[in-house]
Formats: sequence, C-alpha cells, structure tokens
Amino acid sequence: DTEVTQTPKHLVMGMTNKKSLKCEQHMGHRAMYWYKQKAKKPPELMFVYSYEKLSINESVPSRFSPECPNSSLLNLHLHALQPEDSALYLCASSQDRRGVTDTQYFGPGTRLTVL
Amino acid sequence: AQSVAQPEDQVNVAEGNPLTVKCTYSVSGNPYLFWYVQYPNRGLQFLLKYITGDNLVKGSYGFEAEFNKSQTSFHLKKPSALVSDSALYFCAVRDGTGFQKLVFGTGTRLLVSP
Repeated sequence: DTEVTQTPKHLVMGMTNKKSLKCEQHMGHRAMYWYKQKAKKPPELMFVYSYEKLSINESVPSRFSPECPNSSLLNLHLHALQPEDSALYLCASSQDRRGVTDTQYFGPGTRLTVL
Repeated sequence: AQSVAQPEDQVNVAEGNPLTVKCTYSVSGNPYLFWYVQYPNRGLQFLLKYITGDNLVKGSYGFEAEFNKSQTSFHLKKPSALVSDSALYFCAVRDGTGFQKLVFGTGTRLLVSP
C-alpha cells in the first residue's frame, strides 16, 4: 500500500482566516514533505520532516507553519495568507534510510484558494 | 546544484505509436533520477527511478526509461501509447545534499490522440 491521504481536497479561505491542511500515511515512512505547486509548474519543496523533526525549511514565509505530531501525520497551519498563495499543496512521504535514495509517494493534494 | 531539463513543453503522439519524453540532467556525483506522472488536479504518481545498475529501467504502466551517462539523459519511453497516458510528466533528480530533496523539471505534457 503506497497511499498518502490529504484533507481537505479543496479549501477556500479569506486572508484573515486560520486553517490547517492534514496529511496522513500508514506506510511506516519516517520522512514527510510539503510541496507547493502552482498551475502548470513543477512542485516546489517547502518543508521536510525526518523522524518528526524539521529538517528542511526552504525559506517559506512564517504564515505557513508545519507540524509533525507523530510519524504518520503531517499538518500545515495557514494564517494570514495572500492570494498568491493559492496553489495545489502536495504532501509526500518516504522511508528515510541513510545512504539510500528512497522513493517519495505523493498524496492527491489540497487545492487552496485564498480570496 | 543538481538539475534536470525537459526540453519539450508538449509531446503529441498517436495511440499505438511509441512515445518518448525527454529529460537531461546535470549533477555532481552520482545521478539519482525519477519519473513521475500527474493527471489533472491530482498528485504525482511514481513511475520509475534510476539509482544504479541496468541502464534500462522498467516501471509502472508499461513505461521504461533509458539512462545514458555519455549524453546525460534519462528519457521516458513506452512502446505503444494509450489515450489514457495523456498527462503531465515530470523528471526529477535527488538533490546533492544529505536529505531526500527532489528537484523537478518543468514538466512535459503528453497528448495521445485516438
């Protein structure tokens, strides 16, 4: 089973709202990722968690706040977003074996619209 | 820095014909290369990867890719295209840092006509 689930599928929010995106996997993977994808563009890495610790933050604005409460769950908390933050937000997971290039498996994404 | 290039924005092929989606790479050290496919409003689905070994890598849904070190290429191929193969294809390379970071190409839209 290589399933990563994401909720909600769609989210519309105002610039003053606070919302959260959720990602879950039950493959025993220890690395989890958030990507942002604008229309007709490749995914861009935002954050990486390795063994529930933040490993990479690609200079993402503080209005995006990731959280990894346990090895199966990854959240992205959103606050005071801008219209240009509208995008498809993808979660991925992989094993995290040292010295091995593991495959990342992606969820279906959350389509976010900021009004 | 590691990078991949997909020189074609779009590839058109008739159903039943062979297809090729091109990818070239630029890396320092060993290349770790991936192909993913994305259907409209969906996440990315893993097709195949090259780490080491055989230059011909077989993947999901009948796709394969040929690793060519002298040409620094990793082209995706399928002997007989299906209309349902129409999608956006991304080549990716693992970043050279110690973390499992992927750097994606710009994507190639494949259109298979009936």
